Amino acid sequence: GQNIDQPTEMTATEGAIVQINCTYQTSGFNGLFWYQQHAGEAPTFLSYNVLDGLEEKGRFSSFLSRSKGYSYLLLKELQMKDSASYLCAVKDYGQNFVFGPGTRLSVLP
Amino acid sequence: GAVVSQHPSWVICKSGTSVKIECRSLDFQATTMFWYRQFPKQSLMLMATSNEGSKATYEQGVEKDKFLINHASLTLSTLTVTSAHPEDSSFYICSAAPLLAGVPYNEQFFGPGTRLTVL
Repeated sequence: GQNIDQPTEMTATEGAIVQINCTYQTSGFNGLFWYQQHAGEAPTFLSYNVLDGLEEKGRFSSFLSRSKGYSYLLLKELQMKDSASYLCAVKDYGQNFVFGPGTRLSVLP
Repeated sequence: GAVVSQHPSWVICKSGTSVKIECRSLDFQATTMFWYRQFPKQSLMLMATSNEGSKATYEQGVEKDKFLINHASLTLSTLTVTSAHPEDSSFYICSAAPLLAGVPYNEQFFGPGTRLTVL
């Protein structure tokens, strides 16, 4: 079956660093995506990993270990506007995108 | 580039009526469009995958006779919620995967979503 796990909620302080973990078990693997979603809005693309290792893009980095079925999203220098839900999604062999439950991040002043 | 629009953005209707939601890729062609539903504080749930010119593939538990999907062109897919009931109230989001010759798509672009409230 398809299963993607993320923590439900996280809280961090402005200026800090936070790591959001994602573990997955899917029918094949064709890439892992991270999306940011603010309440009432559509998700926006943050990152894509298909090979093991770290992908860095400004304040956001994403890591993948295919052998462990594990990824994390690292957010540095947190800002208030980073308060949102972060969705981990895996593209399986059927070219379908399977989404995790999402992690609601609250950034406190 | 890669803009996807949805119309309407918000609709309120009476129970028993049908509602049509349009999803358009504005500056690219999409062979595949996805329809998702999202309830408050929950993640996106894939309802169906829509391929241009063919019947949609529905996820388990999604009634194809209730949620009619038409993908008539490479830039337009529609979702019709037939005989809507209050439990169908949700945030419906579409996404489109670009047409790349011979290359499986690696990304999907989301529309802004349609909030449906059924009274």
